[in-house]
Amino acid sequence: DQQVKQNSPSLSVQEGRISILNCDYTNSMFDYFLWYKKYPAEGPTFLISISSIKDKNEDGRFTVFLNKSAKHLSLHIVPSQPGDSAVYFCAASGLTGANNLFFGTGTRLTVIP
Amino acid sequence: GAGVSQTPSNKVTEKGKYVELRCDPISGHTALYWYRQSLGQGPEFLIYFQGTGAADDSGLPNDRFFAVRPEGSVSTLKIQRTERGDSAVYLCASSLGAMNTEAFFGQGTRLTVV
Repeated sequence: DQQVKQNSPSLSVQEGRISILNCDYTNSMFDYFLWYKKYPAEGPTFLISISSIKDKNEDGRFTVFLNKSAKHLSLHIVPSQPGDSAVYFCAASGLTGANNLFFGTGTRLTVIP
Repeated sequence: GAGVSQTPSNKVTEKGKYVELRCDPISGHTALYWYRQSLGQGPEFLIYFQGTGAADDSGLPNDRFFAVRPEGSVSTLKIQRTERGDSAVYLCASSLGAMNTEAFFGQGTRLTVV
C-alpha cells in the first residue's frame, strides 16, 4: 500500500519556466515532508523539507507547499535550469516513525535548454 | 571521505549465494539507515541503527536479511540464500542523531541476482 504517491512519472519544462512537482499522501499521521533529488548512479540528495505546522517553505529557487486538508504537497522550481534535470522523490515521516521515511515513486524532471 | 560510502557499487551473484554490502557513514553520525530501491519504485525502509543497536528493523522483508553495526560506525547488510527478487539498489544513509530525517544517502550498491 503506497502511502506516498507521485502520480506523474515524468515532467518536461522549458528552461526558465516554472516546474511543479506534485505529491499526495494518505496517512494523516505524517507530519514532516521532504523532497529529495536523485541523479543517475548517485544516492538521493536532500533538497527541502516542511513541517506540518507550516504551509510553505522557501529556499532559493525551491519552494514547497503543503495542503494538509488535501494531503497534498508540491515542489515549485523557478526558474528551472537544465541542471535541475533529475528524479525527484517526495518523502514523509511521522513523529513516532521519524526514523522511517516513506518515499513516493519519483518524478523524472527534464528541463529543456 | 566526507560523504556516505557504500561498497561495492555493483554486485552480481548467483541465486542461493550469500552477499554482504558495506556502508561507511559520515563521521560522527550516530543514526544509520538501510533502504532498498527496486526498479521504478522509491526507496523502501529496511532497518535503522542508533549507535550499535538496531532500533527499528521492521522493514526487513524476511529472516534472510540481517544487518550489523558492531562499533557504531560501519554497517554491513547481509543477505543469505539470495533470490532473484532481491535484485535492487541498496541505499545506506546516515544522520546526526535520532529523529533527524535529513539523512545523507550513499550512492548505493546495485545488487543483481542471476
